[in-house]
Amino acid sequence: EVQLVESGGGLIQPGGSLRLSCAASGFTVSNNYMSWVRQAPGRGLEWVSIIYSDGTTYYADSVKGRFTISRDNSKNTVYLQMNSLRAEDTAMYYCAREKVEATSVGIDCWGQGTLVTVSS
Amino acid sequence: DIQMTQSPSILSASIGDRVTITCRASQSISAWLAWYQQKPGKAPKLLIYKASSLESGVPSRFSGSGSGTEFTLTISSLQPDDFATYYCQQYNSYPLTFGGGTKVAIK
Repeated sequence: EVQLVESGGGLIQPGGSLRLSCAASGFTVSNNYMSWVRQAPGRGLEWVSIIYSDGTTYYADSVKGRFTISRDNSKNTVYLQMNSLRAEDTAMYYCAREKVEATSVGIDCWGQGTLVTVSS
Repeated sequence: DIQMTQSPSILSASIGDRVTITCRASQSISAWLAWYQQKPGKAPKLLIYKASSLESGVPSRFSGSGSGTEFTLTISSLQPDDFATYYCQQYNSYPLTFGGGTKVAIK
């Protein structure tokens, strides 16, 4: 069964750092495009970052320079390192697998999400 | 960045109704558009990709159309399981962007 399980969320003070983990099962992350998408409480979806199978990465303007996406092939796990956290980063963070037909065409597998709360 | 605008933001409908949701892009995105359904407390679910391709396992009452800057998601006959929030997402260029969402509520 294809599954994504996020962990690492929690309450963190503004300016702090947090690393989210996303453990995959049923498929190999290094052969796929993997993304992070977040959703602030009561708000819509916001794309955060993507890592291609070749290691290429892209980021939303709102997190560029503060967040880093990476993966550990030996653990079949994707990470999101979040630094200089702000109150506006408070959200549910979803790990996701991209459906690829030559390029990304949509997210066909989502984790259950991990909640990050940035507050003093 | 490409802005995605959905309308309406809230839609009230009855079981059996034909429902149409619109998504407009601030510039042409060809057919690089996906539609998702999200229920409260759950992760989104992919319904449509490449504007009109039905994801495997999604009921055929869902359909997508459009290209360029204007797209629609249609539910041909609304079912009880379809009351949810729907989002479009463009895949034409980075940063990827979502529409603001359309909540389909019971009339």
